[in-house]
Amino acid sequence: DSGVTQTPKHLITATGQRVTLRCSPRSGDLSVYWYQQSLDQGLQFLIQYYNGEERAKGNILERFSAQQFPDLHSELNLSSLELGDSALYFCASSRLTSGGEQFFGPGTRLTVL
Amino acid sequence: AQSVTQLGSHVSVSEGALVLLRCNYSSSVPPYLFWYVQYPNQGLQLLLKYTSAATLVKGINGFEAEFKKSETSFHLTKPSAHMSDAAEYFCAVSQETSGSRLTFGEGTQLTVNP
Repeated sequence: DSGVTQTPKHLITATGQRVTLRCSPRSGDLSVYWYQQSLDQGLQFLIQYYNGEERAKGNILERFSAQQFPDLHSELNLSSLELGDSALYFCASSRLTSGGEQFFGPGTRLTVL
Repeated sequence: AQSVTQLGSHVSVSEGALVLLRCNYSSSVPPYLFWYVQYPNQGLQLLLKYTSAATLVKGINGFEAEFKKSETSFHLTKPSAHMSDAAEYFCAVSQETSGSRLTFGEGTQLTVNP
């Protein structure tokens, strides 16, 4: 158990819909990262937050957005869903902003029908 | 820019045999390097990390990796494979100039045969 929690574990929805994925980092970790894992793209970095502020952006679509709240939990919002958005979405957290290991949650499996 | 190449998407070994999973990286500045393992239907678990201290890094479950700057490699080894080592392994790199985002390789699926 990494100490990072993600909900829900599974999510099935239809094209065009909007969903919210939630992540709680390890106690004391200020950085939260979101990654997408799919068969065709592999593991890709989406976005990072540090203590409530966006720190870095990766291959995140404009239809996707994230935020980190004062209690440090984070949410990833995915809208106008397409079939290709079906993937595993991982949240990770770390204490450092650079060079430190990241601890991954169990992931949310999103299926878009 | 940073990138990772894992040679061999599938590796099969016999129980008790040496495990060698290959990883080569590209980084414009000194990198931080990591190996993660993913068991079926689970998240990623950190095996070990290199952050510019010793070049031979020991991790959990008997795994180790050696950082070779001249070869830009960070191969993962284990002297004797166990059935429980069957999983997917990911090499990842990060660097100071790109914050702490991890760039992953495509993964290597390890099969351990009895």
